[in-house]
Amino acid sequence: DTAVSQTPKYLVTQMGNDKSIKCEQNLGHDTMYWYKQDSKKFLKIMFSYNNKELIINETVPNRFSPKSPDKAHLNLHINSLELGDSAVYFCASSQDSASQNIQYFGAGTRLSVL
Amino acid sequence: GENVEQHPSTLSVQEGDSAVIKCTYSDSASNYFPWYKQELGKRPQLIIDIRSNVGEKKDQRIAVTLNKTAKHFSLHITETQPEDSAVYFCAASPGFQKLVFGTGTRLLVSP
Repeated sequence: DTAVSQTPKYLVTQMGNDKSIKCEQNLGHDTMYWYKQDSKKFLKIMFSYNNKELIINETVPNRFSPKSPDKAHLNLHINSLELGDSAVYFCASSQDSASQNIQYFGAGTRLSVL
Repeated sequence: GENVEQHPSTLSVQEGDSAVIKCTYSDSASNYFPWYKQELGKRPQLIIDIRSNVGEKKDQRIAVTLNKTAKHFSLHITETQPEDSAVYFCAASPGFQKLVFGTGTRLLVSP
């Protein structure tokens, strides 16, 4: 019954590989996000989608490609993984409203690139 | 773009003391300021938020104040308890659905 769920929880892979992280929300929200949290705990927005359309892209390398098949899902595909991609990736969602921007986070995916 | 600074980076208090975390923002268009708590290994969770038409908001032991003129806002936790130990993030919303987070404050409450 988790509101924002992402899989997998842990991902260990070699440099150069391609991997995907999936996210689903059952809150009926219109907007979904991907954040990266590095080892210093900095929480930085990567992408935001509203009703399947990209609205925020924060100068993330082209190796990262988000895909939103519908407004309840936002997946993140990463090509040619690098050591610096090691981090915790959080998915989040919020309602599409001028007065509401409460973001609900998933449990995170800890990516380790060896 | 919006830039949010947060201080201190670490804060140690004794149980029962008060804790104050301060943030400043740069974009005067920002109108929504949430605070998130992240326990070790867990997801960030909203604990309180404030909008730009309000100067202060309270929820039990937690309060947030906003000074729009000075572009700063603060989180106040009174009667701290060990379970308040976590990393706290402030954030500012400069536009539609976007949040810019501060760098986080690690709060340690000692029994």
